[in-house]
Parts: sequence; C-alpha cells; structure tokens
Amino acid sequence: AQTVTQSQPEMSVQEAETVTLSCTYDTSESDYYLFWYKQPPSRQMILVIRQEAYKQQNATENRFSVNFQKAAKSFSLKISDSQLGDAAMYFCAYRSGGSRLTFGEGTQLTVNP
Amino acid sequence: DVKVTQSSRYLVKRTGEKVFLECVQDMDHENMFWYRQDPGLGLRLIYFSYDVKMKEKGDIPEGYSVSREKKERFSLILESASTNQTSMYLCASSPPGQQNYNEQFFGPGTRLTVL
Repeated sequence: AQTVTQSQPEMSVQEAETVTLSCTYDTSESDYYLFWYKQPPSRQMILVIRQEAYKQQNATENRFSVNFQKAAKSFSLKISDSQLGDAAMYFCAYRSGGSRLTFGEGTQLTVNP
Repeated sequence: DVKVTQSSRYLVKRTGEKVFLECVQDMDHENMFWYRQDPGLGLRLIYFSYDVKMKEKGDIPEGYSVSREKKERFSLILESASTNQTSMYLCASSPPGQQNYNEQFFGPGTRLTVL
C-alpha cells in the first residue's frame, strides 16, 4: 500500500522569508500524481500545486514550487516570500490509478509578522 | 466554481445515536468521498462512491455506512455513534478519469462531537 509521510508536524517562518515543507512517499508504481493541499484555519481545503510523476520539470504556481525527486520519492513544497495568509495546515497527497488520494499527516505552518 | 457543501459545521450527539452527515456538490462530479481528519493522522478515507448507488470501502469503514441515491448527494451514516468517532469529517468530490488530475474539491467539514 502507498504511504505518505510528512515528518514536520509544525513549521514556522518569518513573513517574506522562504520555507520548505517536506514530504516523502512510498510506492511501487511508476505513473502517479502528487499534490499539496492547504487548509486555512476554519476554511475549506484547497489545492495548492500538483505534479505528474512522468514530468521531470518541477511544478510552479506563483510563490509556490515543488522539488520533486522521483528516485528518492520526495516531494517538498517551497513557499517563497511567505505571507500571513499562508498560515495553514498543509497536506501532501498521492494518487496513482483510480481516484483515491492518500494523505500525509499534515504540517502546521505558522507565519510570524 | 465547484461548490461542495456539508449540512452542518458543528454537531454534538450522544453515544448510541444514529447520525447523518450530508454532502452536496454542484459540479456533476461522478466521484465523492468521505474522510475523517484527526490530529497527527491526516485525512483517512472512510468510503467513496464513483457513481449513484455505488460505494467502495476506504481505509477505515468500520462503524460507518454511506448512501448515494442521487449523483449530487453523498451521505455518511454513523449507525450507533461512539465517542471514538468524535472527529472532523470532510466530504470531497472529483470528476472522473483524467480530468483535472482528478483534483478533489472539499467541503468545509463537520466537526462532530459524540458525548
């Protein structure tokens, strides 16, 4: 079975600084998708960024980018120029065939002014 | 925009009660999911459905059942609530196949407390 591990339960960053959230996964599949979801306090979970395993180029969405290391089964999220609105719980998720997602434990990000 | 709504944001029930959690999506998505979210455990899949009247067990189905009589509505049922079912419950929906990476769209969640 696939597993997703986020080893950092909590992280903090100063406003305008850069922070990296870690995620590793275990799979025997060669074709899959990886996601980072953001859950702000008392608000709905939203997709931040996604990556297809067959694409070598790392995905980027404005201030959010990933470092996808397929051989190492690592999928970290980098947030540049952190803003107060980035404070949230972040979940890493994996999907191969079908529609099911497997989530990591989550990382609570605090942004300090 | 996709909208996924859940019937209650907060719910308090007593042990042994039958509990219904309702989820409605307005994007004609085939797939719908129920998760529970607990600190340190992330989101765990309870049940999912890929079509009307179809359901599949997720990773933690014990103590739960589901119903999908209409495409837009997916209900989670706790037949006899227990205190260990106190949790945040999240509903999600997604389109079929390879559309949009099967991105899942989430509801706001229901925080259920069982006393």
